[in-house]
Amino acid sequence: AIQMTQSPSSLSASVGDRVTITCRTSQGITNDLGWYQQRPGKAPELLIYAASSLESGVPSRFSGSGSGTDFALTISRLQPEDSATYFCLQHYNYPRTFGQGTKVEI
Amino acid sequence: EVQLVESGGGLVKPGGSLRLSCAASGFTFVSYNMNWVRQAPGKGLEWLSSISGSGSYIYYADSVKGRFTLSRDNAKDSLYLQMNSLRAEDTAVYYCARGENYFDYWGQGTLVTVSS
Repeated sequence: AIQMTQSPSSLSASVGDRVTITCRTSQGITNDLGWYQQRPGKAPELLIYAASSLESGVPSRFSGSGSGTDFALTISRLQPEDSATYFCLQHYNYPRTFGQGTKVEI
Repeated sequence: EVQLVESGGGLVKPGGSLRLSCAASGFTFVSYNMNWVRQAPGKGLEWLSSISGSGSYIYYADSVKGRFTLSRDNAKDSLYLQMNSLRAEDTAVYYCARGENYFDYWGQGTLVTVSS
């Protein structure tokens, strides 16, 4: 199974800050990666697909980058509603594997 | 509007069984792969199983292989997860999600608690 290493596990930032979360895979997965946001008590929501494509309806302050084994999710200007946990998920092969999650506190 | 509604969760004793359902609406169910993902209390997300639109292809995580069975009824727009030989570590919120690669819609989840 492809191992996912997501970092940091948590971060604290201020409104307006730029934050970056990274996800590293144990083998190359081209761009077969998505990013999800999960607010407390809610189901996850898709933010980014194909490593860098913004899902419809997601604010443009979210962006994704990377390919191969190294990926990043960037929030350009942090907003209060961005307080959540963020996960990466690879779909290069089965079993699908998630990163451990990054809790973002404002 | 796409909706996924899970049901069937509850309290079950170790070694027991439970069947989860996911009722889909607002899209052509047969055209989409479907998935189950779970989240233990205070933990991250764990992919469990995926099924193709026709039901011909099914994949499982090692943690549930041989104990859980995924199926779907396209006539009823429904997805099922039969869970047998349940263990304490299966305690989690179970989500169904739509998509082969990207999980673009998720249900609200159903809680399964395995405890004596």
